[in-house]
Amino acid sequence: QSALTQPASVSGSPGQSITISCTGTSSDVGSYNYVSWYQQHPGKAPKLMIYDVSNRPSGVSNRFSGSKSGNTASLTISGLQAEDEADYYCTSYISGSTLYVVFGGGTKLTVL
Amino acid sequence: QVQLVQSGAEVKKPGASVKVSCKASGYTFSTYAMHWVRQAPGQRLEWMAWINAGNGNTKYSQKFQGRVTITRDTSASTAYMELGSLRSEDTAIYYCARESPTWTFDSWGQGTLVTVSS
Repeated sequence: QSALTQPASVSGSPGQSITISCTGTSSDVGSYNYVSWYQQHPGKAPKLMIYDVSNRPSGVSNRFSGSKSGNTASLTISGLQAEDEADYYCTSYISGSTLYVVFGGGTKLTVL
Repeated sequence: QVQLVQSGAEVKKPGASVKVSCKASGYTFSTYAMHWVRQAPGQRLEWMAWINAGNGNTKYSQKFQGRVTITRDTSASTAYMELGSLRSEDTAIYYCARESPTWTFDSWGQGTLVTVSS
């Protein structure tokens, strides 16, 4: 099954910035702006953090930002806080298959 | 506020079927699509299926085609996911998620753990 590629883990100290990448193909990330990012704390449901590549839902801190270049999308978290420690997943719409939505493998963010 | 409340945990034997419900509140149910996503223990999220809550049209991941059926009851503001021919690999938490905006999941249910074990 197709999947987007994310680093397994990233870490940073409080106050620092980190970036998580999400690499797809021309069938998904590269061709559509339907890229979203979700935060998932252990035992909890995912929470939408970024949609349409770079838009933040109401209530999400402006420390979270998204971007895209070619087949790679990125999530940047600035001013790291302890509560940012969680798993982060990217998703994208995908064409040319009966999958429609593809997820990344997830990235574990550790705040040192 | 938008709320999606799912049915409780299930334990099923291999070969059986399971039906999970997702009751929506806080918005007009028929005006948003609903998706189903699962997460096996320690694994990535995996998209399964989609239903247009207004007209009942559905789309399924090819991986689950023939085994999964998504339905909805607009009078009860509830979506359902039925997965058949269960095997141990189907042990996972199953989530419903509202689509808003396009291909974005802005609200999620709390998840339903389905355990498949003999």
